[in-house]
Amino acid sequence: EDQVTQSPEALRLQEGESSSLNCSYTVSGLRGLFWYRQDPGKGPEFLFTLYSAGEEKEKERLKATLTKKESFLHITAPKPEDSATYLCAVRSPSGGYQKVTFGIGTKLQVIP
Amino acid sequence: EAQVTQNPRYLITVTGKKLTVTCSQNMNHEYMSWYRQDPGLGLRQIYYSMNVEVTDKGDVPEGYKVSRKEKRNFPLILESPSPNQTSLYFCASSRTAPLARNFYEQYFGPGTRLTVT
Repeated sequence: EDQVTQSPEALRLQEGESSSLNCSYTVSGLRGLFWYRQDPGKGPEFLFTLYSAGEEKEKERLKATLTKKESFLHITAPKPEDSATYLCAVRSPSGGYQKVTFGIGTKLQVIP
Repeated sequence: EAQVTQNPRYLITVTGKKLTVTCSQNMNHEYMSWYRQDPGLGLRQIYYSMNVEVTDKGDVPEGYKVSRKEKRNFPLILESPSPNQTSLYFCASSRTAPLARNFYEQYFGPGTRLTVT
């Protein structure tokens, strides 16, 4: 059974204080690891896709990296508008079809 | 504008009264999926569909039905809703890769907040 564990559950940062969010996964045959951002009461918004260990993707203050067991979302010099819940998900061909497993998420609060 | 739409956005109903939540996408995506989101449990997959007439169970399918008669639509049906189905529901879609070697990101709808009393 595919599993995704995110840590920490909540993170409070001062504006400009860089940090990292962790996503550990166990999956049989990774076919993609995804990071999403979710604002309260809204649908998740896609950020990054990573497919193989060593891969990195970057967008503004966010950088996602992938190893064989975990992924990190690095946030450099965050701003209050980066406050949101960040979700990690994996897709695998479990059972021959495409299943998606999400982590519970990390709730990030950036204080001015 | 590329989007996934859901209706209704908010629904309060009573136990046992059948309801349907509609989902439609305009991106010609093959893959569509339904999730429920509950505090402390995160997003859990209910059903998904690889293409028209092809559906499969996710992790929490009990009490739900789906159909995929057209590529753009993927309605979620609750035949006899119960209070434990009170939740925030999301529909999502994505394109698929040839031979399904890699999977692509999903695009989510705005959500449907369902309350069953």
